[in-house]
Amino acid sequence: AQSVTQPDIHITVSEGASLELRCNYSYGATPYLFWYVQSPGQGLQLLLKYFSGDTLVQGIKGFEAEFKRSQSSFNLRKPSVHWSDAAEYFCAVGMKSSGDKLTFGTGTRLAVRP
Amino acid sequence: DAGVIQSPRHEVTEMGQEVTLRCKPISGHNSLFWYRQTMMRGLELLIYFNNNVPIDDSGMPEDRFSAKMPNASFSTLKIQPSEPRDSAVYFCASTRTGRATNEKLFFGSGTQLSVL
Repeated sequence: AQSVTQPDIHITVSEGASLELRCNYSYGATPYLFWYVQSPGQGLQLLLKYFSGDTLVQGIKGFEAEFKRSQSSFNLRKPSVHWSDAAEYFCAVGMKSSGDKLTFGTGTRLAVRP
Repeated sequence: DAGVIQSPRHEVTEMGQEVTLRCKPISGHNSLFWYRQTMMRGLELLIYFNNNVPIDDSGMPEDRFSAKMPNASFSTLKIQPSEPRDSAVYFCASTRTGRATNEKLFFGSGTQLSVL
């Protein structure tokens, strides 16, 4: 069965600093990979997704993620964090043969220091 | 576009009571998903529908949970009887073509359920 691991439960960075959120997946084939963001009291919003092709994908709000097959990772990055980026971030994996199921990680809560 | 609409936003009930959560997907979307979010287990898929038909309910925790989608614009998730361990945020999401694995899920704002 596919699984997703987000090893960092909480991360705090200073505004303007760079950010990297880790995501590792467990699956035999190349999965579909997603990053979603959840602001307080809100549902999840898609930041970016990877299906195939270029392993570096660009998303909304200045985020990017890189798929590394050798490391089974799909880490999310942002070069300069803004206070409004404080939220919870979820990595998710899906596969074509699993139908419409996405498996979500347990999330990483990001705090931004002024 | 009003987005996915869930009601109520908050529900507080006593153990043993019936709870009904409601969802209106985005117009024109063919698939609807119910997720439950807890601190311990994160975001779990409970059930999803495609063209109003339940496709996979393997995530429904037990018989106390049931979900229906009588038409393309409305779905309910019912818990009867409710228990304190059901306390969680319940999200509804929809997609246009029904392939959550290759397109964007649109989430509602969730229902915060507290069972006392």
